[in-house]
Amino acid sequence: SQKIEQNSEALNIQEGKTATLTCNYTNYSPAYLQWYRQDPGRGPVFLLLIRENEKEKRKERLKVTFDTTLKQSLFHITASQPADSATYLCALLMNRDDKIIFGKGTRLHILP
Amino acid sequence: GAGVSQSPRYKVAKRGQDVALRCDPISGHVSLFWYQQALGQGPEFLTYFQNEAQLDKSGLPSDRFFAERPEGSVSTLKIQRTQQEDSAVYLCASTGTGVKTRYEQYFGPGTRLTVT
Repeated sequence: SQKIEQNSEALNIQEGKTATLTCNYTNYSPAYLQWYRQDPGRGPVFLLLIRENEKEKRKERLKVTFDTTLKQSLFHITASQPADSATYLCALLMNRDDKIIFGKGTRLHILP
Repeated sequence: GAGVSQSPRYKVAKRGQDVALRCDPISGHVSLFWYQQALGQGPEFLTYFQNEAQLDKSGLPSDRFFAERPEGSVSTLKIQRTQQEDSAVYLCASTGTGVKTRYEQYFGPGTRLTVT
């Protein structure tokens, strides 16, 4: 079955630097890969979706890359701010009619 | 409504009690999903509805778990004879039908269930 690995340790980044989070998966590449943000006591919030035939997607200070050869996605937050501190979840949608599989998430702390 | 709402936000049940968790999706959203999230873990899929039809219930952990969406809007997740291992946050999400947005899941705040 498909497994997703995200940075198991919390990530501490100095304010203003670029934060980079990693999502690795096993087995087959998904049709779609998503990133969500989750704050304590709240549900996840959708951030970005990237398709298997796309290499990179950007949205404001966020950038996602998708490498199907490495079976890896990288999630970047540039010019990071303390308000970016949260847990970030990687999620795979294997095909258009399938359910979404979430990773465990990476806790990101942006230090002022 | 403005977003997905869930009730109650917190529920404490004694082992063996039945509980019912409610989800109000975004108005007009056809698809509705239930997830279970344990502490420090990502959401785990439980079941999925398209309108009133339950298309996938492969994630329900046992026959004590039952979900319904009789009119294709509000959904209820019922857990019978609760056990301590059922303690978790139960999340509901809905999606629209737009070509560009059909895979974006909008989540509710969750119901934190504690079984004592």
